[in-house]
Amino acid sequence: GDSVTQMEGPVTLSEEAFLTINCTYTATGYPSLFWYVQYPGEGLQLLLKATKADDKGSNKGFEATYRKETTSFHLEKGSVQVSDSAVYFCALSGGETSGSRLTFGEGTQLTVNP
Amino acid sequence: DGGITQSPKYLFRKEGQNVTLSCEQNLNHDAMYWYRQDPGQGLRLIYYSQIVNDFQKGDIAEGYSVSREKKESFPLTVTSAQKNPTAFYLCASSMDWGDTDTQYFGPGTRLTVL
Repeated sequence: GDSVTQMEGPVTLSEEAFLTINCTYTATGYPSLFWYVQYPGEGLQLLLKATKADDKGSNKGFEATYRKETTSFHLEKGSVQVSDSAVYFCALSGGETSGSRLTFGEGTQLTVNP
Repeated sequence: DGGITQSPKYLFRKEGQNVTLSCEQNLNHDAMYWYRQDPGQGLRLIYYSQIVNDFQKGDIAEGYSVSREKKESFPLTVTSAQKNPTAFYLCASSMDWGDTDTQYFGPGTRLTVL
């Protein structure tokens, strides 16, 4: 079935450091890919998405490129802030197994220290 | 403001009791979802509804029930048959049942069984 694998956390960075959170997926068909962010005690918010190969999603300084050849959708930010501390989830939908349901990775906890 | 509301934010239940979690949306979305989140894990789909008066089991439906009598409401009942109900429950909605549609999440309900 469809699945999403994220790099193990937690990740701790200093403010202004470069961030990469790896995400790879397994799916047949042509899935859409998403990054969601969850701040403490809250629900999830969409951070960015890409719906076809080579698309780049971007928002609030975060970027991710849909790489079909490597089945990856890595999240990057050039300079993180303390306010970016949260849990980040990679997800897919539209695979032949999942259909329109979202399949989530395990989440990566990011802590940014001043 | 449009959005998804969940109530209550915190809920305590004694073993053997059924409890109903509320989810309301005023986004005029057709599709709604219930997820369960456990510490260190991604979200798992409990039930989903593509349209009013219709719903389908997700990956972990045992011990849960739902109804979708109105477009804006999708309550979840956690029954006494659910063996380990303590978790964070998230409701979501999307405009349509499409794999590129963004799911919007509520703030969640934390259920604790005493």
